[in-house]
Amino acid sequence: AQSVTQLDSQVPVFEEAPVELRCNYSSSVSVYLFWYVQYPNQGLQLLLKYLSGSTLVKGINGFEAEFNKSQTSFHLRKPSVHISDTAEYFCAVRAFYNTDKLIFGTGTRLQVFP
Amino acid sequence: DVKVTQSSRYLVKRTGEKVFLECVQDMDHENMFWYRQDPGLGLRLIYFSYDVKMKEKGDIPEGYSVSREKKERFSLILESASTNQTSMYLCASSTSGPNTGELFFGEGSRLTVL
Repeated sequence: AQSVTQLDSQVPVFEEAPVELRCNYSSSVSVYLFWYVQYPNQGLQLLLKYLSGSTLVKGINGFEAEFNKSQTSFHLRKPSVHISDTAEYFCAVRAFYNTDKLIFGTGTRLQVFP
Repeated sequence: DVKVTQSSRYLVKRTGEKVFLECVQDMDHENMFWYRQDPGLGLRLIYFSYDVKMKEKGDIPEGYSVSREKKERFSLILESASTNQTSMYLCASSTSGPNTGELFFGEGSRLTVL
């Protein structure tokens, strides 16, 4: 079985500062990894995904994440955040052989202050 | 533009009532999912479906049932609503196959049970 741990429930940061949202996963098999964002009163939308290939993945809105197999991590980063990045961010994992379930972390609320 | 539509954004029901949450996708996806989202718990899978008339239990199926009579429609049913089912419900769909797994989400249905 797979599991995901998001270590920070809330991350406050000032506008234009860099940010890192941490995600660690557990799995006995190879996995696919995802980051989703949820803006207030909306559903989730995909930020980026790692399926294979380069371990540095670039997504929408200037976000990127790096897959580190040895540390079983998939941390999300942005070099300079905007007020509009205020949202909840979810890390998710799926076993590569399994076409059904995504297992989600508990989420990290990013709060960007002016 | 791809779309997952949930019929009701906000519902208020009384304890013991039967509740139907409807979800329609226009992407011809094979897989459809119902998740429940609660603060601090992230997204938890209730039920999913691989195909018409097929369903599989997720992690928290108790108190819920589902119906998938047509490929594009997946309904979540609360036979007798209880206050602990007050939550945000998210429907999602995805296509099958390797190197996939991205879920497309609806905007959510916030259910309050009094």
